[in-house]
Amino acid sequence: EVQLVESGGGLVQPGGSLRLSCEVSGVTFSGYWMHWVRQVPGKGLVWVSRINSDGSHTSYAASVKGRFTISRDNAKNTLYLQMNSLRVEDTAVYYCVRGPPLRCLDYWGQGTLVTVSS
Amino acid sequence: QSALTQPASVSGSPGQSITISCTGTSSDIGAYNYVSWYQQHPGKAPKLMIYDVSDRPSWVSDRFSGSKSGNTASLTISGLQAEDEADYYCSSFSSSSVERVFGGGTKLTVL
Repeated sequence: EVQLVESGGGLVQPGGSLRLSCEVSGVTFSGYWMHWVRQVPGKGLVWVSRINSDGSHTSYAASVKGRFTISRDNAKNTLYLQMNSLRVEDTAVYYCVRGPPLRCLDYWGQGTLVTVSS
Repeated sequence: QSALTQPASVSGSPGQSITISCTGTSSDIGAYNYVSWYQQHPGKAPKLMIYDVSDRPSWVSDRFSGSKSGNTASLTISGLQAEDEADYYCSSFSSSSVERVFGGGTKLTVL
């Protein structure tokens, strides 16, 4: 069974930090790009960040660049998102997603809710 | 405002066919055959339905098909069923500053 299980979400004050994790099982992890995609409840999907298969190249949406850091541990089949200087507008469900390079997002986690509020 | 443009809603009766359009630019849909479509039911994670413009993953019914012409991609669902009622998002790889772009989503209602 394919499983992408996110954890680490929760309530944080503006300016605070959170680290999301995503443990992948049942499907190949290394060799694939991994992404974070977020969705404000009731709104559309927004791509946040991507890391290539060996972790040597990353890419970010302009809205999070300089504040968020994506990383991966292929030995642990785990993806991470370090989120610093959080803003109210970062409030969303964050999905961990696997994807073959360039092409699509084929397996999605169930999402973890991040709420930034005072 | 989303990078790709989709209609906000479409509807159809069971057994009918519907088409959802997705318009981008020469930096995304027009430049690459990397258009994909996702289905999302309320409270659930999105699910890949179409990739590489017109290919289906093994878990998707052949009632779903995709195509592209210029800067516009389309998703067609034939033989509509009640379970098809969901939100649908298109997406593409992009050479712009945003590497992966999504449409704003289309709510499909099965009447």
